[in-house]
Amino acid sequence: EAGVAQSPRYKIIEKRQSVAFWCNPISGHATLYWYQQILGQGPKLLIQFQNNGVVDDSQLPKDRFSAERLKGVDSTLKIQPAKLEDSAVYLCASSLVAWNNEQFFGPGTRLTVL
Amino acid sequence: QKEVEQNSGPLSVPEGAIASLNCTYSDRGSQSFFWYRQYSGKSPELIMSIYSNGDKEDGRFTAQLNKASQYVSLLIRDSQPSDSATYLCAVINGGSARQLTFGSGTQLTVLP
Repeated sequence: EAGVAQSPRYKIIEKRQSVAFWCNPISGHATLYWYQQILGQGPKLLIQFQNNGVVDDSQLPKDRFSAERLKGVDSTLKIQPAKLEDSAVYLCASSLVAWNNEQFFGPGTRLTVL
Repeated sequence: QKEVEQNSGPLSVPEGAIASLNCTYSDRGSQSFFWYRQYSGKSPELIMSIYSNGDKEDGRFTAQLNKASQYVSLLIRDSQPSDSATYLCAVINGGSARQLTFGSGTQLTVLP
């Protein structure tokens, strides 16, 4: 079974530029999550999708971050404009159904904002 | 106040010893508890889940849960150098939010 796929793996941009990340979850997993992991910290949830609907985006900085999951499969996370403090690893995870299910993480995208 | 607390370490144990990793959480209504292992530069990998009080064993790993004390632990028996990683405790909060909240992780080093 293929795991969670993410691209790109690395991205370097300057502040105020925009960037987008892509995620393809494990086949059949209805729930998709985006996390931000700053160096030395645990992952922090940004947004959760159930199929193509948003379940929880309470910690998403909506003035600069946006995410969508069209057709309930792939998802993109966008940052526009980026700030220095957005430098982090952005992790996508998926689970079969909902929160009590085990979540499986993709390899992540390491973003550096200069 | 952090919702999930872990000692950041580093924790060093000799090869073959038992490594003990601890985690406390603040939400008394939490129902689901997980341990993830994260190697440097890699993404978290689920190694244990536990939902009820007591012990759960899987190979060399044992997770322990005490909801009354709001305490979760992970024991690694016969520790190997390949177990050297950061171990993240994660908890699903009770209530309507039901977010998976991670601790900041404990860095474990197993010395050959």
